[in-house]
Order: sequence, then C-alpha cells, then structure tokens
Amino acid sequence: DAGVIQSPRHEVTEMGQEVTLRCKPISGHDYLFWYRQTMMRGLELLIYFNNNVPIDDSGMPEDRFSAKMPNASFSTLKIQPSEPRDSAVYFCASSGQLYNEQFFGPGTRLTVL
Amino acid sequence: QQPVQSPQAVILREGEDAVINCSSSKALYSVHWYRQKHGEAPVFLMILLKGGEQKGHEKISASFNEKKQQSSLYLTASQLSYSGTYFCGTLSGGGADGLTFGKGTHLIIQP
Repeated sequence: DAGVIQSPRHEVTEMGQEVTLRCKPISGHDYLFWYRQTMMRGLELLIYFNNNVPIDDSGMPEDRFSAKMPNASFSTLKIQPSEPRDSAVYFCASSGQLYNEQFFGPGTRLTVL
Repeated sequence: QQPVQSPQAVILREGEDAVINCSSSKALYSVHWYRQKHGEAPVFLMILLKGGEQKGHEKISASFNEKKQQSSLYLTASQLSYSGTYFCGTLSGGGADGLTFGKGTHLIIQP
C-alpha cells in the first residue's frame, strides 16, 4: 500500500483565496483525521471521520474551515477565505480503529501571504 | 484539554537513557506515543490502554498509571536515530473525542 497520500505538498496563496487540501487514506481504514501543526499550538486535531461520517469537529477553528469525505478513499479540507494565521502544516492520518495506530500522510505545508 | 509533557527538551550522548513524561488532568482511556523527525510526519511508537494492554514496537518501553493519568516513555541505550520530537496523545474514555496531543519533547542525541 502507498500509505496516506496528501496533495498538494506545498501551497502558497494570498489572503482571501480559497484553499483545498486533499487526502487519500489507506484502503480499508475506517477512520480519517485532519490535523494542523504550528510552532505555537503544536499538533491539533481539527476533525475526524468514521466511515465517511464526521464524528468530532470541535477542533475546526471557525466557519472558514470545512471538511468533507464523499467516499471511503477521499477527503478534502477547505479554507475559504484563507488568512495568514492559517499558515501551518496540515496532516491527514488514517487508522483501522479509533484506538489503533494512526498512519500520517506527508503533510501539506500551507503559506498564506 | 492538552496533556502536559516533560521535559520540553533533552540532550543526550549516544548510549544514555531518557524518560519522557506525559500527564493529563482528565481520566484517560489510552495514551499514544509518536515520534516526529524534522520535516517529516509523526510516526507511531506505542499505545497504552486502560487495563494494561499495550500495542507497539518491541524496542520501545512505556508505562501508564491510570490512577494518576500519567504515562512515561523509556528510551534506553539511546541511538542517534532516536533524535526527534516525541508527542504523547491522549484519549478519554466514553466519548467520541479524538486524540489530544501534548506540545512535544525535543530529544537530541549526540555522538
């Protein structure tokens, strides 16, 4: 298996633009997680899905952020409009069970100018 | 609520031992440990579950004190490859909350 796949790996955009991050989890994994990592706040859980259904989105910062999982092999995290404080590395991870090992993707480094 | 890790940073010589601690103010169901090297994604090390079950790599040792909501990761005879940032993540029992990670412990192993 190729592992968790994220795209793009790097994204530079201007304030106010829409940004869409993509994730393909490991086949057969029922759980998908979106994390944001910054120096100040560390590694934060934004939202996670179980069988394509959002379970806990309490970490989503505000209405500018939205996440979808239309099927078991694809998820998106959208920021609209983007702001400089959204600059971070965004990781997607998947696992077979909530209490199992999570496999992280390589991350998307987002820079909002 | 975010678990607290200590120490924040450790510098060791190759071959020395280290202990990294993680504590929470909430009752925990499980503690998860990950290591992240600079510019890379976190990599799983171990899960410790309430009741004593552990899942992880054989070379990693850790403990989980359920009463104190504390966990410790033991790195013995450290190797250069152990360098990185270690994160503990906690799950509280009974709810659907996902992992809450601590701010990490930076470990530097010198030859």
